[in-house]
Amino acid sequence: GENVEQHPSTLSVQEGDSAVIKCTYSDSASNYFPWYKQELGKGPQLIIDIRSNVGEKKDQRIAVTLNKTAKHFSLHITETQPEDSAVYFCAATSGAGSYQLTFGKGTKLSVIP
Amino acid sequence: DTAVSQTPKYLVTQMGNDKSIKCEQNLGHDTMYWYKQDSKKFLKIMFSYNNKELIINETVPNRFSPKSPDKAHLNLHINSLELGDSAVYFCASSHVRTGGFETQYFGPGTRLLVL
Repeated sequence: GENVEQHPSTLSVQEGDSAVIKCTYSDSASNYFPWYKQELGKGPQLIIDIRSNVGEKKDQRIAVTLNKTAKHFSLHITETQPEDSAVYFCAATSGAGSYQLTFGKGTKLSVIP
Repeated sequence: DTAVSQTPKYLVTQMGNDKSIKCEQNLGHDTMYWYKQDSKKFLKIMFSYNNKELIINETVPNRFSPKSPDKAHLNLHINSLELGDSAVYFCASSHVRTGGFETQYFGPGTRLLVL
C-alpha cells in the first residue's frame, strides 16, 4: 500500500519568514495530493491540493509543488503569520481511483511573533 | 451551516462499556469515512462507506462496527471499550468519481477517553 513520509515533524519560524514542509510517497499510481491544516481542538481543514497532471499550484501565500519523477511534493507558506501556527498534514491517494487517503505524520508549525 | 457534524464532542467512559458516535454530512456526498487520531496526532483510516456500502475496512478490532443508515449518516459503535481506544475520532465525507479523487471534508472530532 501507499506510504507517505513527512518532514520535519516540528518547524519554528519567525513571523514574516517562509516555511517549507516536504512529503514523499511510494505509490507511483497516486494522483491526488491534498494538504490539511489542523488547529488545536479542531478537525483537519483542506488548505490546498494538487493533482498529478500539474506541477505547481498557488493560492495567495500558500503554494504546493509536485515532482512525480521523484515522488515528492512540498508545501510552501510565505510571509508567515501567527495564525498559521497549526499542525499540517500531507496526504496521497493509495492509487488511481482509490477511495483511500494515506496521511503523513504531521508537522507542527510554530510562527513566532 | 455545518457541513460534517459529529456527536458527542467529548466522551468519557469506563473500560468495558459500549458507546456510539454519530456523524452526519449535509454536503450531498456519497462516501463517508471514520479516522482515528492517536496521541501523536497520527491520522489513520478505519472505515469507508460508499452509498451505504462498506468499501474500506482497515485492520480494526471487530469491537468497532460502523453503520450507515443512509448516505448522509455514518455512525460508529464501539463494544467493550479498552484503554487503548482513547483517541480523537474524526468523521469525513467526499464525492468519489471514477479515475479521480475529491476533497475529503472532516468533522470537528469526538474526543474519547476511556478510564
